[in-house]
Parts: sequence; structure tokens; C-alpha cells
Amino acid sequence: EDQVTQSPEALRLQEGESSSLNCSYTVSGLRGLFWYRQDPGKGPEFLFTLYSAGEEKEKERLKATLTKKESFLHITAPKPEDSATYLCAVLHASGGSYIPTFGRGTSLIVHP
Amino acid sequence: NAGVTQTPKFRVLKTGQSMTLLCAQDMNHEYMYWYRQDPGMGLRLIHYSVGEGTTAKGEVPDGYNVSRLKKQNFLLGLESAAPSQTSVYFCASSYSSGGVRSYNEQFFGPGTRLTVL
Repeated sequence: EDQVTQSPEALRLQEGESSSLNCSYTVSGLRGLFWYRQDPGKGPEFLFTLYSAGEEKEKERLKATLTKKESFLHITAPKPEDSATYLCAVLHASGGSYIPTFGRGTSLIVHP
Repeated sequence: NAGVTQTPKFRVLKTGQSMTLLCAQDMNHEYMYWYRQDPGMGLRLIHYSVGEGTTAKGEVPDGYNVSRLKKQNFLLGLESAAPSQTSVYFCASSYSSGGVRSYNEQFFGPGTRLTVL
């Protein structure tokens, strides 16, 4: 069964305290791994796409990395405005198409 | 561009009633998706479409039907609503640009909050 697991479920950080979120997956035919940010009451917003092991992407305080079995979202010196739920999604082969499977997300709170 | 829009934003139904959720996108995207999001469950795929006139089942399709008669619209129907269908529903669209790294990110609508009593 295709699975995507995110950890931790929730994370509380002090402003400036760096940390990492994990997304592990067991799927066949990986076509891409996506990270999204979701604010309360809103739809997810795209952050990064990673296509192959060893690939890295950066944007401001966020850096995403990918191995054959997992991805990390590193947050360096976070600010309160980084508080949100972070979702990862794996695009994989299923029934002749490619479909996305989402993890349950990591809820991040950054305290000032 | 409006991006992805969803109608309505909120709805309350009684058990057994029917309704249709409308999703529209103005980006000429090929792929469209319907998800439901429940607390602690993440986003679960209900149905999806890879092009006009096509639909396919996702992870949790029971109790829902969809149609994509026009490329820009993707409709989600509940024929006989049940309390278990109380959820927030998100529509998304995406596109393929061809090649190995061709599958691109999804653009999400603002969501529809549905309560079934």
C-alpha cells in the first residue's frame, strides 16, 4: 500500500530555533515530491518540488531535500510568521495515471 | 487571473439532501482534483480528472460523483448526504509540461466547509 508519513505531527519552536520536518514515503513509480504550506482556513500553497534523490531547493528560511525514502524540510532561524501546517505530497503511479498522496501534515508553531 | 475558485464557501445540509460543489479554474490546466480534509487525516483524494470528459476514482470515492464537461470546471456531487461527509472540501488543478520532470504543483481553491446534520 502506498503511504506517506510525516513527523512530527506537531512542533513548537522558539523564534530562531532551527529544526527539520520529515516526510517518509513508500510508493512505486515516484514522479515528484511536493511541499505545501497551509494556513488556517485556507487552501495549501505550493513551496517546493523535488524530483530525484539528492535534489535540494531553497527559499528564504526553508530548504527541502530528498533521498530515496524520505524528504526533509529544514527551517533555519524560524519566525512567528512561519507558523502553519506543512504538508508533503508524493506523486506516484496508480492505475495508469499519476496521482498525489498527501501526508497528514506537521503543525508548526513558532513562538516569539 | 482568479486561479481556482470554489462555490459555495459554506453549506449546511440535512441527511439525505443532495448538492453540487463547483470548482472553476482559469489557468487552462489539464488535471483537476477533489479532496476532503478532516482533522488529523490530511488531504484525501476523492476523484480526479486528467482531461475534459474524463474522471477517475481516488482514495475515498464512495458517496460522491463528479463530472468534467468543460476543461475549466470540475463538479463534485453528493447524491444523498450523510453526517460522515461533514468535512472541508478542496479543489485543485495542475498541469504537465512534458518530459521526465513534467508534473507540476497543484493550485488549490479556498475550500468549501460542508456540515451534514
